[in-house]
Amino acid sequence: GAGVSQSPSNKVTEKGKDVELRCDPISGHTALYWYRQRLGQGLEFLIYFQGNSAPDKSGLPSDRFSAERTGESVSTLTIQRTQQEDSAVYLCASSLSSADTQYFGPGTRLTVL
Amino acid sequence: AQKVTQAQTEISVVEKEDVTLDCVYETRDTTYYLFWYKQPPSGELVFLIRRNSFDEQNEISGRYSWNFQKSTSSFNFTITASQVVDSAVYFCAGGAYKYIFGTGTRLKVLA
Repeated sequence: GAGVSQSPSNKVTEKGKDVELRCDPISGHTALYWYRQRLGQGLEFLIYFQGNSAPDKSGLPSDRFSAERTGESVSTLTIQRTQQEDSAVYLCASSLSSADTQYFGPGTRLTVL
Repeated sequence: AQKVTQAQTEISVVEKEDVTLDCVYETRDTTYYLFWYKQPPSGELVFLIRRNSFDEQNEISGRYSWNFQKSTSSFNFTITASQVVDSAVYFCAGGAYKYIFGTGTRLKVLA
């Protein structure tokens, strides 16, 4: 079946602009995660959604970052007033439930000029 | 607090050599999962293996094998008879649902 998809694959924006990144999880997966990967580094957890429970936002680096999820489907990660340090690959993952293996999308490469 | 340590930043081997990638996962939790993911040059993370904290049996899948020792908090990954296609960054991760990732080990397999 289809894997996790993310759009856009690449996004170049100017400092100060807002951006929206989209994630379509695997159908039937109740859990959805966002991670950030800076160049040459590991993955940094941002936020986690599980069904209708309140999301775990403990990894969001600042209040410029927010995310929403519609039911158990699409999620959008919004970064307001982008800064150059926000440049990274943003990865989305989904899993059947919180205890199951996470499968990752191809990521969105964000470049803030 | 949880911590994943991948002390090897980069490893280079010649094709057909065996190579072991080290991972140490430290946590106070008694129940957790451990993972290895592969990130080839294309960038997409590929799931390799998941183990739970109660299962210390070694696992072998083709040329890949994993050794989990709870006493030393280690979850090492061995590739036997490495191939050029194994060249990638390998990430170890641990946790219950919020995974902590290591910084990765870049493996270069030279022809």
